[in-house]
Amino acid sequence: DSGVTQTPKHLITATGQRVTLRCSPRSGDLSVYWYQQSLDQGLQFLIQYYNGEERAKGNILERFSAQQFPDLHSELNLSSLELGDSALYFCASSSPQGGGSTDTQYFGPGTRLTVL
Amino acid sequence: SQQGEEDPQALSIQEGENATMNCSYKTSINNLQWYRQNSGRGLVHLILIRSNEREKHSGRLRVTLDTSKKSSSLLITASRAADTASYFCATDPIQGAQKLVFGQGTRLTINP
Repeated sequence: DSGVTQTPKHLITATGQRVTLRCSPRSGDLSVYWYQQSLDQGLQFLIQYYNGEERAKGNILERFSAQQFPDLHSELNLSSLELGDSALYFCASSSPQGGGSTDTQYFGPGTRLTVL
Repeated sequence: SQQGEEDPQALSIQEGENATMNCSYKTSINNLQWYRQNSGRGLVHLILIRSNEREKHSGRLRVTLDTSKKSSSLLITASRAADTASYFCATDPIQGAQKLVFGQGTRLTINP
């Protein structure tokens, strides 16, 4: 158990809909990262938050947005869903790391999103 | 974009044998990490090697890093059935916004 929790575990929805995925980082971790894993694209970094502020952005679509709340939990919002958005969505957290390098990330169990 | 490329894409060996997986990357890095993923589950961190390190050990794992060749290898000795999983290398690029760029992974199967 990594200490990172994600809800829900599974989500089935229809095209055009909007969903919210939730992540609680490990106790004390300030950074939260979101990844998308699909069969054809592999594991893609979406976005990082650090202590409530957006820190880095990867291959995140404009239809997707995220935020990190004062209690450090994070939510990933996916809207106008398309069939191709079906994937595993992982959240990871890490402790603050000096020097600009990225320390170990601890991954949650993921949310499996199926868009029908 | 994927910076790390693992080789081979799939590897099947007998229990007790050693498994070697390779990772190549394109840009300068702060560190390189290896993760394991059991089917459909979250990734588990295995080992981190910094750019100024050449080799690191953790239990049955040995990781090497050659920054001149921009490559790394993960060796699992005396493999066990429980080692069956996908293994990913992830690089922390010095430049760019992305954090931990993952490769496509090597699917390792340990046959009893």
